[in-house]
Amino acid sequence: TQLLEQSPQFLSIQEGENLTVYCNSSSVFSSLQWYRQEPGEGPVLLVTVVTGGEVKKLKRLTFQFGDARKDSSLHITAAQPGDTGLYLCAGGRGQGGKLIFGQGTELSVKP
Amino acid sequence: DAGITQSPRHKVTETGTPVTLRCHQTENHRYMYWYRQDPGHGLRLIHYSYGVKDTDKGEVSDGYSVSRSKTEDFLLTLESATSSQTSVYFCAISESDRGYIEAFFGQGTRLTVV
Repeated sequence: TQLLEQSPQFLSIQEGENLTVYCNSSSVFSSLQWYRQEPGEGPVLLVTVVTGGEVKKLKRLTFQFGDARKDSSLHITAAQPGDTGLYLCAGGRGQGGKLIFGQGTELSVKP
Repeated sequence: DAGITQSPRHKVTETGTPVTLRCHQTENHRYMYWYRQDPGHGLRLIHYSYGVKDTDKGEVSDGYSVSRSKTEDFLLTLESATSSQTSVYFCAISESDRGYIEAFFGQGTRLTVV
């Protein structure tokens, strides 16, 4: 059973379109991270959200943490081919150290 | 980039043989993790460590053991490799000085069990 459910699992869009990726759970997390992974590489941290309702922006990427700290979303505005990759959400609980990942969303942005 | 080195980067082994993967860090981070990555499953936690000689199981720990005798090294051992353990293995490190975990990953080890 996946503790963190990501949707959609695959997304293929044209350059310039907007998209949203969701990360949902029935559990509360003290923090939630989003990572991006390119083929043959390890995941790279994009952002961490900690407070319920928090919104963070990273250029064309907007990240939101749900009020109840059980879910998060990643919105990309005007997607570009360079955004292509695997996006992963991950949740942690306190300082216990355990970090759990969702299944990932494979994004393909075509020129 | 965080100083994390995984070795080997690629390995092909036969069913039933023992295999050890090594993760070495130069960041002096407290937490170290082993994940496996398979299509459709994202990253699944195998084992993690919260200090020297302190380890705990993750979601998919059966068939794997770990050891951490020094802060900088975290070893993952497959006692008797099976074909279902063919995967890409990632090591990660983290600190929690800000009250939450943020992981930094190695380049991965591609393991094939034939």
